[in-house]
Amino acid sequence: GIQVEQSPPDLILQEGANSTLRCNFSDSVNNLQWFHQNPWGQLINLFYIPSGTKQNGRLSATTVATERYSLLYISSSQTTDSGVYFCAVARPGETSGSRLTFGEGTQLTVNP
Amino acid sequence: NAGVTQTPKFQVLKTGQSMTLQCAQDMNHEYMSWYRQDPGMGLRLIHYSVGAGITDQGEVPNGYNVSRSTTEDFPLRLLSAAPSQTSVYFCASSYDRRGLSYEQYFGPGTRLTVT
Repeated sequence: GIQVEQSPPDLILQEGANSTLRCNFSDSVNNLQWFHQNPWGQLINLFYIPSGTKQNGRLSATTVATERYSLLYISSSQTTDSGVYFCAVARPGETSGSRLTFGEGTQLTVNP
Repeated sequence: NAGVTQTPKFQVLKTGQSMTLQCAQDMNHEYMSWYRQDPGMGLRLIHYSVGAGITDQGEVPNGYNVSRSTTEDFPLRLLSAAPSQTSVYFCASSYDRRGLSYEQYFGPGTRLTVT
């Protein structure tokens, strides 16, 4: 199956700092999503971004499908950004909307 | 819309007991999936469905059964609980034909402990 590698595994920031999280994947995809899992365990959709660039407030994401990686940018980080960030992908096919493969996540801690 | 709902939120079982985790969605999605998340790990796919009456196995299907009799509901059955099934279970739905989007949306999870 497809392999998903996220880096770094852990990241500690001071409030106000910027950061970049990376997701590498081993095969072609037509579904790539970024999630934030908050300290209460909820999975929050950040971006659905199989290709291209999107921005939502302080967060933005870029996926370069031909080079098999995606980046999540967090600017002016806040303590509420703390949690685990997951990248998840699916290969092209009829069931790609139902079969996400997750990376192991980046644990982000933002200190006040 | 309530989105994806799961019940119960917490459950404790004894080894050998059976139970059903409920999942429902009101977003008119065709696809539904079950994942489990073990401590410090990403989610792994258990079973999925691309429509009513159609189910298939994911990465870790052993010990679980599913059925999909309606578009809205996708229950997950644990046949004979084992301590290795202690985990957090997430249900998800995706694929709205009208919007042609494969984006998956997740429920709040069920935290299961098997003693």
